[in-house]
Amino acid sequence: SQKIEQNSEALNIQEGKTATLTCNYTNYSPAYLQWYRQDPGRGPVFLLLIRENEKEKRKERLKVTFDTTLKQSLFHITASQPADSATYLCALRGGFKTIFGAGTRLFVKA
Amino acid sequence: EAEVAQSPRYKITEKSQAVAFWCDPISGHATLYWYRQILGQGPELLVQFQDESVVDDSQLPKDRFSAERLKGVDSTLKIQPAELGDSAMYLCASSLADRQQAKNIQYFGAGTRLSVL
Repeated sequence: SQKIEQNSEALNIQEGKTATLTCNYTNYSPAYLQWYRQDPGRGPVFLLLIRENEKEKRKERLKVTFDTTLKQSLFHITASQPADSATYLCALRGGFKTIFGAGTRLFVKA
Repeated sequence: EAEVAQSPRYKITEKSQAVAFWCDPISGHATLYWYRQILGQGPELLVQFQDESVVDDSQLPKDRFSAERLKGVDSTLKIQPAELGDSAMYLCASSLADRQQAKNIQYFGAGTRLSVL
C-alpha cells in the first residue's frame, strides 16, 4: 500500500541555522509533491509544490528537492526563526488523489 | 484574502448523539474535501466533492457518516451516532479544480475540534 514517512521525532534547532526535513514514500509515483505548514489547532497552509520532473524549487528562505529515484523529498528552511516553529506536512499528488504524511514538528530556539 | 469558513470551531458531545459540521469553501472553488486528523497524524480524506457530486468517499464510514453539498457550494458533514473514536479535528479544504495532474493546491479551514465523551 502507499506509504509516506516523515520523521516522527521533533526537530530542534537554533535560530539562524538551516532546518532540513525529510519525506520518504513507497509504492507511489506522484506527479507532484507539496509541502504544507500547520500550526497547533489550525488547518494546514500550502507552502511549495514541486513536479516530478523538477529537481529543486525555491521560495524565499524555503527550498524543496525531489528525487524520484530515491523516492524522497527534502525541505529546507534557511536562516530559521522562532516563527518557523510549526508542523510541516508533505503531501503526494498522483491521479485524483492527494495523500498526506503525518508531519514533522519543528522547534526553532532563539 | 478569501478563506474557507468552518463552524463550529469546537464541539463537545456525548457518544450516540448526532453532530454536524459546516463548511463554506472559497468562492469559485469547485472541489471540496472533508478530512479527519487525529492528533499526531496527517489529514485523512473522508470525502471529496466535485461541484455537488461525490468523487471519492471510499474512506467515509457510511454507516454513521454522511456528507452533502446540495448546491455545489457549502457542505455539511454529519456523524450519527458519534462514537468515542470519532474524537479528532475535522478539516474542510477547497481547491480550484481536481483534474488529473492538476496542481490541486488545497486551502484549508481552521477545522472543527470534536470531543466525544
